[in-house]
Amino acid sequence: EIVMTQSPATLSVSPGERVTLSCRASQSVSSNLAWHQLKPGQAPRLLIYGASTRATGIPARFSGSGSGTEFTLTISSLQSEDFAVYYCQQYNNWPLTFGGGTEVEIK
Amino acid sequence: EVQVLESGGGLVQPGGSLRLSCAASGFTFSSYAMSWVRQAPGKGLEWVSTISGSGADATYADSAKGRFTISRENSKNTLYLQMNSLRGDDTAVYYCAKDQGAWHGYFHWFDPWGQGTLVTVSS
Repeated sequence: EIVMTQSPATLSVSPGERVTLSCRASQSVSSNLAWHQLKPGQAPRLLIYGASTRATGIPARFSGSGSGTEFTLTISSLQSEDFAVYYCQQYNNWPLTFGGGTEVEIK
Repeated sequence: EVQVLESGGGLVQPGGSLRLSCAASGFTFSSYAMSWVRQAPGKGLEWVSTISGSGADATYADSAKGRFTISRENSKNTLYLQMNSLRGDDTAVYYCAKDQGAWHGYFHWFDPWGQGTLVTVSS
């Protein structure tokens, strides 16, 4: 099983700041990585797939990069609606696995 | 609009059974694999199972093997998860999600997701 490790677990950020979230895979997943956003009481939302392709309707302030074992999700200027938990997910191998999540909270 | 909507959650005793349903709309259901993902209280996301567009192939997390069965009824655009021998650690919000391909290839990311249905296993 591929273990996905996200860091940090929690990030305290002020609106307008740039945010960088990390995700590491225990073995290469090529570019077969997605990022999802979760807010309480809402359906999870796909942000990024293929490590760097934004999903339909996702604002340009969200960007993804990386390949192999190291990946990054960047939010260029954090908006109030971006406070949420973010998960990376690999789909290179079965079982599909998620990272433990990074909570982006208001500073 | 592509949508998926779960139903069937509730309170069940340990050792009991429950069947979740997921109604899909806005896309050609039989052309896409579908998945179940869960989130236990205070925990992260855990993939549970995926079934191919035709329903001929399925795969499960170790935690679900032998107890859960994923199925689909393409004529009704509906996905199911039959859960037997339920345990306390199966307590979670269960999400239905659409994959991006029928089965083969690297298409198993999730979009869209449903709102989720809560399953509570307790006596």
